[in-house]
Amino acid sequence: GAVVSQHPSRVICKSGTSVKIECRSLDFQATTMFWYRQFPKQSLMLMATSNEGSKATYEQGVEKDKFLINHASLTLSTLTVTSAHPEDSSFYICSARDLQGPTYNEQFFGPGTRLTVL
Amino acid sequence: QQPVQSPQAVILREGEDAVINCSSSKALYSVHWYRQKHGEAPVFLMILLKGGEQKGHEKISASFNEKKQQSSLYLTASQLSYSGTYFCGTEVIATDSWGKFQFGAGTQVVVTP
Repeated sequence: GAVVSQHPSRVICKSGTSVKIECRSLDFQATTMFWYRQFPKQSLMLMATSNEGSKATYEQGVEKDKFLINHASLTLSTLTVTSAHPEDSSFYICSARDLQGPTYNEQFFGPGTRLTVL
Repeated sequence: QQPVQSPQAVILREGEDAVINCSSSKALYSVHWYRQKHGEAPVFLMILLKGGEQKGHEKISASFNEKKQQSSLYLTASQLSYSGTYFCGTEVIATDSWGKFQFGAGTQVVVTP
């Protein structure tokens, strides 16, 4: 099956620093990638949708300048949390879809990145 | 646009059955079901496309009533490994939201010996 990786799996940083999270589709080309945030005991909340080569589309209430998303290639999307604060601590999960391939109906999730901001 | 899941939680004994429901106010193209264990990413269970089909994965099956925009997940003869939080993810029929999901709040399932 299709595999999506995320790096790092865990990161602890000081308040005010920026953190970059990578999401890679390992064996397929992801035309679209999604970034979710999940707080403890809550559901996955969609933050943004990114298509290769174009600007990300952010959900209402998500700050574009705070969460920078780059989808530079068909296998890589990055999420940068700029000037992170403790309230940004969360579990960040990416997912990928190949909307032009035979598995276009499916969404493949990465293993997630746990961010802790001190 | 978040789908509504019920119940919020269910406690079962091994071997018992349970049903989890997911409903949307929007016309749905597909419903996806996932199970998530604590601290891990969601694991895909199955996908249901519009057409009212029913699918199965071991003793877990699901149905999709597209007229009512509802899906149900059936846990049959539950096993300890079924414990976790179950999420439905819905994909609505809309040109501006093609390809993206909204997830329900989740249903916590605890299976006891």
